[in-house]
Amino acid sequence: KQEVTQIPAALSVPEGENLVLNCSFTDSAIYNLQWFRQDPGKGLTSLLLIQSSQREQTSGRLNASLDKSSGRSTLYIAASQPGDSATYLCAAKAAGNKLTFGGGTRVLVKP
Amino acid sequence: KAGVTQTPRYLIKTRGQQVTLSCSPISGHRSVSWYQQTPGQGLQFLFEYFSETQRNKGNFPGRFSGRQFSNSRSEMNVSTLELGDSALYLCASSLLSGSPNSPLHFGNGTRLTVT
Repeated sequence: KQEVTQIPAALSVPEGENLVLNCSFTDSAIYNLQWFRQDPGKGLTSLLLIQSSQREQTSGRLNASLDKSSGRSTLYIAASQPGDSATYLCAAKAAGNKLTFGGGTRVLVKP
Repeated sequence: KAGVTQTPRYLIKTRGQQVTLSCSPISGHRSVSWYQQTPGQGLQFLFEYFSETQRNKGNFPGRFSGRQFSNSRSEMNVSTLELGDSALYLCASSLLSGSPNSPLHFGNGTRLTVT
Protein backbone atom coordinates (compact mmCIF):
# COMPACT_ATOMS: atom_id res chain seq x y z
CA LYS A 1 0.00 0.00 0.00
CA GLN A 2 1.41 3.36 -1.06
CA GLU A 3 2.12 5.87 1.69
CA VAL A 4 3.12 9.46 0.98
CA THR A 5 4.67 11.70 3.62
CA GLN A 6 5.42 15.40 3.61
CA ILE A 7 7.74 16.91 6.19
CA PRO A 8 7.57 19.49 7.63
CA ALA A 9 3.85 19.99 8.07
CA ALA A 10 4.35 23.76 8.26
CA LEU A 11 7.04 26.19 7.18
CA SER A 12 7.51 29.93 7.64
CA VAL A 13 10.11 31.89 5.66
CA PRO A 14 10.89 35.57 4.97
CA GLU A 15 10.10 36.91 1.53
CA GLY A 16 12.87 36.30 -0.99
CA GLU A 17 14.11 33.09 0.56
CA ASN A 18 14.07 29.89 -1.49
CA LEU A 19 11.55 27.23 -0.44
CA VAL A 20 12.36 23.52 -0.33
CA LEU A 21 9.41 21.16 0.15
CA ASN A 22 9.92 17.44 0.64
CA CYS A 23 7.79 14.47 -0.33
CA SER A 24 8.56 10.80 0.24
CA PHE A 25 6.69 7.72 -0.95
CA THR A 26 7.03 4.04 -0.07
CA ASP A 27 6.20 2.29 -3.35
CA SER A 28 8.41 3.26 -6.30
CA ALA A 29 6.00 1.68 -8.83
CA ILE A 30 4.36 4.99 -9.68
CA TYR A 31 3.15 6.40 -13.00
CA ASN A 32 3.98 9.95 -12.03
CA LEU A 33 4.20 12.38 -9.15
CA GLN A 34 2.17 15.57 -9.15
CA TRP A 35 2.55 18.70 -7.02
CA PHE A 36 -0.48 20.81 -6.16
CA ARG A 37 -1.19 24.05 -4.39
CA GLN A 38 -4.28 24.57 -2.26
CA ASP A 39 -5.49 27.91 -0.98
CA PRO A 40 -7.85 27.98 2.03
CA GLY A 41 -11.34 26.77 1.16
CA LYS A 42 -10.39 26.14 -2.45
CA GLY A 43 -9.67 23.19 -4.68
CA LEU A 44 -6.26 22.03 -5.85
CA THR A 45 -4.22 23.80 -8.50
CA SER A 46 -1.81 21.57 -10.41
CA LEU A 47 1.74 22.93 -10.35
CA LEU A 48 4.01 20.31 -11.86
CA LEU A 49 3.81 16.71 -13.01
CA ILE A 50 6.89 14.50 -13.22
CA GLN A 51 6.53 11.25 -15.12
CA SER A 52 8.18 8.20 -13.57
CA SER A 53 10.81 8.21 -16.35
CA GLN A 54 11.78 11.84 -15.69
CA ARG A 55 14.15 13.34 -13.13
CA GLU A 56 12.80 16.88 -12.95
CA GLN A 57 10.34 19.42 -14.28
CA THR A 58 10.51 23.20 -14.27
CA SER A 59 7.95 25.94 -14.58
CA GLY A 60 8.99 29.51 -13.92
CA ARG A 61 10.22 29.79 -10.33
CA LEU A 62 9.18 26.19 -9.62
CA ASN A 63 11.38 23.14 -10.01
CA ALA A 64 10.47 19.62 -8.96
CA SER A 65 12.79 16.64 -8.84
CA LEU A 66 12.02 12.95 -8.62
CA ASP A 67 14.25 10.14 -7.34
CA LYS A 68 12.27 6.91 -7.60
CA SER A 69 15.06 4.74 -6.17
CA SER A 70 15.00 6.63 -2.88
CA GLY A 71 11.27 7.35 -2.98
CA ARG A 72 11.65 11.11 -2.85
CA SER A 73 10.51 14.22 -4.64
CA THR A 74 11.43 17.80 -3.86
CA LEU A 75 9.69 21.01 -4.89
CA TYR A 76 11.85 24.12 -5.04
CA ILE A 77 10.31 27.57 -5.19
CA ALA A 78 12.84 30.28 -5.92
CA ALA A 79 12.68 33.78 -4.45
CA SER A 80 9.49 33.22 -2.47
CA GLN A 81 6.74 35.86 -2.40
CA PRO A 82 3.84 36.42 0.01
CA GLY A 83 1.53 35.17 -2.75
CA ASP A 84 3.23 31.77 -2.48
CA SER A 85 1.63 31.27 0.94
CA ALA A 86 -0.59 28.19 0.64
CA THR A 87 -0.62 24.48 1.37
CA TYR A 88 1.46 22.40 -1.01
CA LEU A 89 0.53 18.77 -1.62
CA CYS A 90 2.32 16.02 -3.46
CA ALA A 91 0.53 12.98 -4.86
CA ALA A 92 1.79 9.71 -6.31
CA LYS A 93 -0.24 8.24 -9.14
CA ALA A 94 -0.76 4.50 -9.36
CA ALA A 95 -3.04 2.43 -11.60
CA GLY A 96 -5.83 4.32 -13.32
CA ASN A 97 -6.07 7.81 -11.93
CA LYS A 98 -5.80 6.96 -8.25
CA LEU A 99 -3.67 9.52 -6.45
CA THR A 100 -2.23 8.94 -2.98
CA PHE A 101 -1.68 12.28 -1.31
CA GLY A 102 0.73 13.42 1.35
CA GLY A 103 -0.56 15.42 4.29
CA GLY A 104 0.69 18.68 2.80
CA THR A 105 3.09 21.40 3.88
CA ARG A 106 1.52 24.69 4.94
CA VAL A 107 3.77 27.53 3.81
CA LEU A 108 3.74 31.10 5.09
CA VAL A 109 5.93 33.67 3.35
CA LYS A 110 6.32 36.75 5.52
CA PRO A 111 6.75 40.18 3.86
CA LYS B 1 -11.56 26.59 -21.65
CA ALA B 2 -13.76 26.18 -18.59
CA GLY B 3 -12.30 24.28 -15.65
CA VAL B 4 -13.85 21.55 -13.56
CA THR B 5 -17.20 22.72 -12.19
CA GLN B 6 -18.70 21.33 -9.01
CA THR B 7 -22.17 22.08 -7.73
CA PRO B 8 -23.33 23.00 -5.23
CA ARG B 9 -20.47 24.77 -3.45
CA TYR B 10 -21.97 24.29 -0.01
CA LEU B 11 -24.48 21.85 1.45
CA ILE B 12 -25.90 21.37 4.91
CA LYS B 13 -27.67 18.09 5.58
CA THR B 14 -28.99 16.18 8.57
CA ARG B 15 -27.84 12.76 9.72
CA GLY B 16 -29.67 9.99 7.91
CA GLN B 17 -30.40 12.03 4.80
CA GLN B 18 -28.84 11.43 1.43
CA VAL B 19 -27.03 13.86 -0.84
CA THR B 20 -26.01 14.08 -4.49
CA LEU B 21 -23.04 16.10 -5.67
CA SER B 22 -22.37 17.01 -9.29
CA CYS B 23 -19.20 17.44 -11.31
CA SER B 24 -18.73 18.68 -14.87
CA PRO B 25 -15.25 17.89 -16.20
CA ILE B 26 -13.13 19.95 -18.52
CA SER B 27 -14.43 19.66 -22.07
CA GLY B 28 -12.96 16.59 -23.74
CA HIS B 29 -11.92 14.91 -20.50
CA ARG B 30 -13.32 11.41 -20.09
CA SER B 31 -12.02 10.50 -16.64
CA VAL B 32 -13.61 11.83 -13.47
CA SER B 33 -12.31 11.02 -10.00
CA TRP B 34 -13.72 11.89 -6.61
CA TYR B 35 -11.78 12.63 -3.41
CA GLN B 36 -12.78 13.36 0.17
CA GLN B 37 -10.75 15.87 2.17
CA THR B 38 -10.99 16.07 5.97
CA PRO B 39 -8.66 17.64 8.54
CA GLY B 40 -8.04 14.27 10.15
CA GLN B 41 -7.61 11.97 7.16
CA GLY B 42 -6.43 14.41 4.50
CA LEU B 43 -7.27 13.66 0.89
CA GLN B 44 -8.60 10.19 0.21
CA PHE B 45 -9.56 8.61 -3.10
CA LEU B 46 -13.21 7.63 -3.45
CA PHE B 47 -13.57 6.33 -7.01
CA GLU B 48 -12.82 6.98 -10.66
CA TYR B 49 -15.07 6.78 -13.68
CA PHE B 50 -13.94 6.56 -17.29
CA SER B 51 -16.33 6.30 -20.21
CA GLU B 52 -19.26 5.66 -17.84
CA THR B 53 -17.50 2.72 -16.13
CA GLN B 54 -16.09 2.67 -12.63
CA ARG B 55 -12.36 2.03 -12.99
CA ASN B 56 -11.11 2.19 -9.41
CA LYS B 57 -12.64 2.35 -5.98
CA GLY B 58 -11.16 3.44 -2.67
CA ASN B 59 -11.84 2.09 0.80
CA PHE B 60 -15.17 3.70 1.51
CA PRO B 61 -18.42 2.03 2.58
CA GLY B 62 -21.14 1.22 0.08
CA ARG B 63 -23.06 4.33 1.16
CA PHE B 64 -20.77 6.20 -1.20
CA SER B 65 -21.61 5.64 -4.84
CA GLY B 66 -21.22 7.42 -8.11
CA ARG B 67 -22.00 7.36 -11.77
CA GLN B 68 -20.90 8.98 -14.98
CA PHE B 69 -23.07 10.03 -17.87
CA SER B 70 -22.41 9.82 -21.60
CA ASN B 71 -21.31 13.50 -21.64
CA SER B 72 -18.69 12.63 -18.95
CA ARG B 73 -20.50 14.58 -16.23
CA SER B 74 -20.44 12.69 -12.96
CA GLU B 75 -22.52 12.53 -9.81
CA MET B 76 -21.60 11.24 -6.40
CA ASN B 77 -24.22 10.07 -3.93
CA VAL B 78 -23.92 9.52 -0.20
CA SER B 79 -26.81 7.79 1.52
CA THR B 80 -27.65 7.63 5.22
CA LEU B 81 -25.35 10.52 6.06
CA GLU B 82 -23.21 10.38 9.20
CA LEU B 83 -21.52 13.23 11.06
CA GLY B 84 -18.16 11.90 9.88
CA ASP B 85 -19.14 12.48 6.26
CA SER B 86 -18.68 16.21 6.78
CA ALA B 87 -15.85 17.09 4.41
CA LEU B 88 -14.76 18.90 1.28
CA TYR B 89 -15.54 16.66 -1.69
CA LEU B 90 -13.29 17.28 -4.65
CA CYS B 91 -13.77 16.17 -8.20
CA ALA B 92 -10.90 15.88 -10.67
CA SER B 93 -10.95 15.34 -14.40
CA SER B 94 -8.31 13.99 -16.71
CA LEU B 95 -8.05 13.43 -20.43
CA LEU B 96 -7.04 9.81 -20.01
CA SER B 97 -6.99 7.10 -17.37
CA GLY B 98 -3.77 5.36 -16.47
CA SER B 99 -1.49 7.57 -18.54
CA PRO B 100 1.73 8.83 -16.94
CA ASN B 101 1.44 12.15 -18.76
CA SER B 102 -2.19 12.98 -18.02
CA PRO B 103 -2.48 15.36 -15.08
CA LEU B 104 -5.56 15.63 -12.91
CA HIS B 105 -7.36 18.97 -12.76
CA PHE B 106 -9.45 19.66 -9.69
CA GLY B 107 -12.60 21.66 -9.12
CA ASN B 108 -13.17 23.94 -6.12
CA GLY B 109 -15.10 21.27 -4.29
CA THR B 110 -18.41 20.91 -2.47
CA ARG B 111 -18.30 21.61 1.25
CA LEU B 112 -20.71 19.18 2.93
CA THR B 113 -21.72 19.71 6.54
CA VAL B 114 -23.75 17.02 8.28
CA THR B 115 -25.55 18.07 11.48
